[in-house]
Amino acid sequence: QLQLQESGPGLVKPSETLSLTCTVSGGSISSGSYYWGWIRQPPGKGLEWIGNIYYSGSTFYNPSLKSRVTISLDTSKNQFSLKLSSVTAADTAVYYCARRSGGSSYRDYWGQGTLVTVSS
Amino acid sequence: QSALTQPASVSGSPGQSITISCTGTSSDVGGYNYVSWYQQHPDKAPKLMIYDVSKRPSGVSNRFSGSKSGNTASLTISGLQAEDGADYYCNSYTSSSSWVFGGGTKLTVL
Repeated sequence: QLQLQESGPGLVKPSETLSLTCTVSGGSISSGSYYWGWIRQPPGKGLEWIGNIYYSGSTFYNPSLKSRVTISLDTSKNQFSLKLSSVTAADTAVYYCARRSGGSSYRDYWGQGTLVTVSS
Repeated sequence: QSALTQPASVSGSPGQSITISCTGTSSDVGGYNYVSWYQQHPDKAPKLMIYDVSKRPSGVSNRFSGSKSGNTASLTISGLQAEDGADYYCNSYTSSSSWVFGGGTKLTVL
């Protein structure tokens, strides 16, 4: 059974860089045609797609966040990561990592989510 | 990119059927058969209920069905049950090679 687990600081200061890691267990992130991605949800609000990375390393980002986002793979650790720079209070959210099958909207496995608060 | 448009709330009695709409444009919902629907209970991760407009993942009840007409996708839940009460989100691929979610719909089972 595939499992995804987010980890990283729960508190980030304004203007700094938010860094999160998603550790995948029960399967390899470098096998198969999958996209590994990040979605966030501000408290009490809806879901927002941040971006994803193909198993080959190609990246795709939300146009509204593209200038601040970097998603990368670490196949040696079976992890993928999110970096969001120049954060503000508006970036406070629960951040989810998830897997999507290529050529489909089949996004089946999600992490439990981690709350990141941006505050001084 | 603008969020897809969903009604803020819908409600229905046990046993009834309800439909949640998700309206986009020809650059997202209308242009691709990559629309999915998620169910989210409070403080839980979203759960995939429908993908590729009308396909149901293994284990999801056949009371859930999806469809699309033009720029609007729909999720129908038949035989409403108390546990169906949750937030529902649609999601679509876009012409920008990105994905966009709907604003979410709160389903109340009366």
